[in-house]
Amino acid sequence: DIQMTQSPSSLSASIGDRVTVTCRASQSITSYLNWYQQKPGKAPNLLISAASTLQSGVPSRFSGSGSGTDFTLTISSLQPEDFATYYCQQSYSSPRTFGQGTKVEIK
Amino acid sequence: QVQLVQSGAEVKKPGASVKVSCKASGYIFTGYDLHWVRQAPGQRLEWMGWISVGNGNTKYSQKFQGRVTITRDTPADTAYMEFTSLRSEDTAVYYCAREIDRGGARYFDFWGQGTLVTVSS
Repeated sequence: DIQMTQSPSSLSASIGDRVTVTCRASQSITSYLNWYQQKPGKAPNLLISAASTLQSGVPSRFSGSGSGTDFTLTISSLQPEDFATYYCQQSYSSPRTFGQGTKVEIK
Repeated sequence: QVQLVQSGAEVKKPGASVKVSCKASGYIFTGYDLHWVRQAPGQRLEWMGWISVGNGNTKYSQKFQGRVTITRDTPADTAYMEFTSLRSEDTAVYYCAREIDRGGARYFDFWGQGTLVTVSS
């Protein structure tokens, strides 16, 4: 199975801060990497597919980059509605696997 | 609009089974694969398996092999996930999710609302 490791596990940031979350795969997954946002009590919501494709309706302050084994999710200017947990997921092979999540909290 | 609506919360005793449904609407049911993902309290999302809705082929996580069965009823536009021999550590929210697979991208674009399964004696 492909292991997905995110860092950090949690972070505290202020409104307007630039936030970066990293995700590392245990083997190359080319660009089969997705990012989801999850708020408490809700299902995950797709933000970015194929490492860097922003989904329709997702604000442009979100961006993704990377390929192979190392990937990054960046929020350019943190907004109040962005406080949530973010998960990376590889879709290169089954089982589909997720990172452990990064909880973004208010400083 | 695309919707996946799951059945309601369940409380089960250890050793029992549960069957969760996922009714699709707003798209051609047989055109997309459906996956099942669970999330135990405070834990990461965990993939359980998927069904190719068009032909009924399935694949399961080795962790759950032998305990999970995913099926579909195409006239009813509904998929099911049955989980047997439940243990307390199976207490989790169970989600169905539709997977898009196109041109070098493969992702879950729509999710059900989740079904809480509580296993307790």
